[in-house]
Amino acid sequence: GENVEQHPSTLSVQEGDSAVIKCTYSDSASNYFPWYKQELGKRPQLIIDIRSNVGEKKDQRIAVTLNKTAKHFSLHITETQPEDSAVYFCAARGYSTLTFGKGTMLLVSP
Amino acid sequence: DTGVSQDPRHKITKRGQNVTFRCDPISEHNRLYWYRQTLGQGPEFLTYFQNEAQLEKSRLLSDRFSAERPKGSFSTLEIQRTEQGDSAMYLCASSLGGADHEQYFGPGTRLTVT
Repeated sequence: GENVEQHPSTLSVQEGDSAVIKCTYSDSASNYFPWYKQELGKRPQLIIDIRSNVGEKKDQRIAVTLNKTAKHFSLHITETQPEDSAVYFCAARGYSTLTFGKGTMLLVSP
Repeated sequence: DTGVSQDPRHKITKRGQNVTFRCDPISEHNRLYWYRQTLGQGPEFLTYFQNEAQLEKSRLLSDRFSAERPKGSFSTLEIQRTEQGDSAMYLCASSLGGADHEQYFGPGTRLTVT
């Protein structure tokens, strides 16, 4: 089955800095890669996703890049704000379901 | 209907008891997923339905776990003879279409087995 590794497990940045979270996957057939944000005590919510026919996608301060050859994808957040503090999960779609990484706790200090 | 709902939000039970959780997906969504999440981990897939058909079950899902979606709308997840290792957050999600469509998560049911 699919295996997703996510790094780092914790990331602390100052407000205004950029944050990068990286994930690798094992199944070369995976073709859909979403990122979810989970605030403390709340449900996971999709923030951006990318399909395998695209190398990069941006949405305001958030961008995701995908390298299919190396089987890794990354989340980039620019101009971080305190409200970006949360746990971020990457995921990869294998045959029919999503496999999630273990999450990255992002802490943005004012 | 503003989103996926789950009931109860919290459940405390004694080891060996049976528990049942309910999930109400977004009304037009044909896919419904169950996940388990423990502290410091991402959601782990348990099973999913397309309409009323249960199409896949994870090998994490022991024989003590059973799920149904009888009319293709709400779903129930039952755990029989609960064990302390079953303590976790049980999340339900729904989507319109396959696994490459956005999954909308419910608030979860936190199960504590004492």
